[in-house]
Amino acid sequence: DVKVTQSSRYLVKRTGEKVFLECVQDMDHENMFWYRQDPGLGLRLIYFSYDVKMKEKGDIPEGYSVSREKKERFSLILESASTNQTSMYLCASSETGRGSYEQYFGPGTRLTVT
Amino acid sequence: GENVEQHPSTLSVQEGDSAVIKCTYSDSASNYFPWYKQELGKGPQLIIDIRSNVGEKKDQRIAVTLNKTAKHFSLHITETQPEDSAVYFCAASIEGRGSTLGRLYFGRGTQLTVWP
Repeated sequence: DVKVTQSSRYLVKRTGEKVFLECVQDMDHENMFWYRQDPGLGLRLIYFSYDVKMKEKGDIPEGYSVSREKKERFSLILESASTNQTSMYLCASSETGRGSYEQYFGPGTRLTVT
Repeated sequence: GENVEQHPSTLSVQEGDSAVIKCTYSDSASNYFPWYKQELGKGPQLIIDIRSNVGEKKDQRIAVTLNKTAKHFSLHITETQPEDSAVYFCAASIEGRGSTLGRLYFGRGTQLTVWP
């Protein structure tokens, strides 16, 4: 059974803190994605990665960075958390080629920045 | 880049009725159109998809239609049940050579509520 896990379901951080959100997939997928989900705005892509040590900016990369040192792990970093980064964060993975770009999502991390 | 618009943002139906969610896209090169369902407390999950060489696809009570000329695709759910209540997202992508590495462009979502 395919699985994408995220390190925390709920997280509360203070303004200015450095925050790490971890995502691990066990499907040997090449592609990994970070989204944030806000009411009325849907799923907005922050960053994605198509290989180890590779990254691409999505639609809203400002205030975020990512790290992919191993194929199975993709980390989202908030260098200095701000209240407008309070949101639900979703990680996903997919494989390249084979005619299917189905993305498998983790359960999400609800981050609150106070 | 691709722009996907989704309507309505909320939809309430009585159990047993049909529900229709509509999406439009802007990039004529898009050729893959998946639909995801997100239940409360979970991540989105693929429920059905359609490719541009097909006009309609069905899977039990769920069907998707595609009109490439109008750049329009829709999700149809028949005989709705309370467990169909969820947020539904449409998406568009380009598969094949030169594709953007599996990136999906999502609509903003539709909250479907099915009343018993």
